Amino acid sequence: QVQLVESGGGVVQPGRSLRLSCAASGFTFSNFGMHWVRQAPGKGLDWVAVMSNDGSNKYYADSVKGRFTVSRDNSKNTLYLQMHSLRAEDTAVYFCAKSRDTSIIRGPIVSWGQGTLVIVSS
Amino acid sequence: DVQMTQSPSSLSAVVGDRVTITCRASQSIYTFVNWYQQKPGKAPNLLIYSASGLQSGVPSRFSGSGSGTDFTLTISGLQPEDFAVYYCQQSHSTPIAFGGGTKVEI
Repeated sequence: QVQLVESGGGVVQPGRSLRLSCAASGFTFSNFGMHWVRQAPGKGLDWVAVMSNDGSNKYYADSVKGRFTVSRDNSKNTLYLQMHSLRAEDTAVYFCAKSRDTSIIRGPIVSWGQGTLVIVSS
Repeated sequence: DVQMTQSPSSLSAVVGDRVTITCRASQSIYTFVNWYQQKPGKAPNLLIYSASGLQSGVPSRFSGSGSGTDFTLTISGLQPEDFAVYYCQQSHSTPIAFGGGTKVEI
């Protein structure tokens, strides 16, 4: 079955960088768009970024544009989120999630990892 | 950008109730709306896709309707395992957006 396992979270000071990884298994990773979605403690879901199956298209939430970069390595079945200039408001659980389709919009998110917690604090 | 306004933010119900949650989009998104359920400490789970499609494995007491700007998630005959938070999501265009969530509690 589909498995998505995030890693790389932790405590980081404001202004610093962090890279999250998402190891995928149980499906043909290179066939599907992939998302990052975050959830601040006690808050709702907040979409962060999406990347197409082949990496040719990527889109970001306005709140992270210019600071976060999504990438993927289809040979390693891994999705990444490079985060720079981190702010207190970036504190959240970050979920890696799989699109139903190759298309990165129009279709739903069908699978989620369990998330990795990022805390931005001095 | 498309904004999703979900209501109510919370509701109280009992087992057996019919529960309705609504979501309004800031512009027409046709039927590109999905609904998710999230239980405490867990990842979300897809319930409904494309406004009214029932995801495989989801009980038939869950249903969705709507098109354009107004959408509804209905739970017909609330069960104990349905107490959770529900989110709508628009997948019409980027930036993708979720509604603020509806907490269904006793």
